[in-house]
Amino acid sequence: DAGVIQSPRHEVTEMGQEVTLRCKPISGHDYLFWYRQTMMRGLELLIYFNNNVPIDDSGMPEDRFSAKMPNASFSTLKIQPSEPRDSAVYFCASSPSGGYKNIQYFGAGTRLSVL
Amino acid sequence: AQRVTQPEKLLSVFKGAPVELKCNYSYSGSPELFWYVQYSRQRLQLLLRHISRESIKGFTADLNKGETSFHLKKPFAQEEDSAMYYCALRPYSGGYQKVTFGTGTKLQVIP
Repeated sequence: DAGVIQSPRHEVTEMGQEVTLRCKPISGHDYLFWYRQTMMRGLELLIYFNNNVPIDDSGMPEDRFSAKMPNASFSTLKIQPSEPRDSAVYFCASSPSGGYKNIQYFGAGTRLSVL
Repeated sequence: AQRVTQPEKLLSVFKGAPVELKCNYSYSGSPELFWYVQYSRQRLQLLLRHISRESIKGFTADLNKGETSFHLKKPFAQEEDSAMYYCALRPYSGGYQKVTFGTGTKLQVIP
């Protein structure tokens, strides 16, 4: 398995534009997480899904952020409109059920720069 | 609600010196604690978890419930240990509970 796959790896956009980040979890994993990493706040959980259903979105900063998981192999995180303070590295992670359900497997991240 | 505190943003040590990365937590129930590591240009990955009681790459961490700590230790630092380290907590209860990460500590091992 190639692990969690995120695209794009880097995204540079202008303020006000829509940004869509994509994630393909590890096949068979029931949980999917979106995190944001910044120097000041470290790693913050934005939202997580279980079996494609959003369970906890309390970390989503504001209505400009939305996430979907239309099927077990794909999720998107959308920012519309984007702002310079959204610049960060966004990670997707997935986790299996069962005995190892608490171990998270991370993607390589998407580095977002909003100018 | 649970909280994880890593008081040091940056820790610099010389090669061969002992390393201790501090992690304190607050949670009223029984926690499950983890250390994740992110090497340069690599993915964030699990280093160790307290229930496994194992040593990974020379690192150990002991859960101290009295002091609510889960410090990561290594007796002799190596250059390849330079990385970002995150402490994380999950409530140890039935069903799935979300993991809370600390803000991370960057370890810099000086040759």
